[in-house]
Amino acid sequence: GDSVTQMEGPVTLSEEAFLTINCTYTATGYPSLFWYVQYPGEGLQLLLKATKADDKGSNKGFEATYRKETTSFHLEKGSVQVSDSAVYFCALTSNFGNEKLTFGTGTRLTIIP
Amino acid sequence: EAQVTQNPRYLITVTGKKLTVTCSQNMNHEYMSWYRQDPGLGLRQIYYSMNVEVTDKGDVPEGYKVSRKEKRNFPLILESPSPNQTSLYFCASSGTTNEKLFFGSGTQLSVL
Repeated sequence: GDSVTQMEGPVTLSEEAFLTINCTYTATGYPSLFWYVQYPGEGLQLLLKATKADDKGSNKGFEATYRKETTSFHLEKGSVQVSDSAVYFCALTSNFGNEKLTFGTGTRLTIIP
Repeated sequence: EAQVTQNPRYLITVTGKKLTVTCSQNMNHEYMSWYRQDPGLGLRQIYYSMNVEVTDKGDVPEGYKVSRKEKRNFPLILESPSPNQTSLYFCASSGTTNEKLFFGSGTQLSVL
């Protein structure tokens, strides 16, 4: 079945550092890929998505590129801020619908001033 | 304001005592879903509903029930809670299954 593997956390970085959170997947067909973010005490929010190979999703300075050849969707940001501290979830769906959305285990990111 | 509202936010109960976690959305969404979040396991889907009176099992439905009598509400029922159901629960909704998911703020459940 479908699965998502994220890098182990927690990740701690200094403000303005470069961020990469790795995500690889196993899926049938051509899945859509997502990054969700969960701020402390809140539910998840969609951060960005990509629906086909080589697509780049971007939002709030974060980017991720759908790499079919390496089955990856790594999240990057050039200069992180304290306000980016959150848990980040990689997710996919193989049939275009939320009813089969599969999440990774999440990566906790802490940014220190 | 568009939102998904869950209640209660925190709940401590004892084994075997039936409980209901409510979920309501004000966006006229067709699709609603329940997830549980556990450390090291991420989010796992419990049940989902494509529309009124249409529900289906997710990946971990054992020990849970749901109903969808009205479009806006999708309560999660634990008939006889057990300690392994201690978890953080999230309700989510979207206009259709292809659209962006909106999540509630979560319900932290502890079963003693």
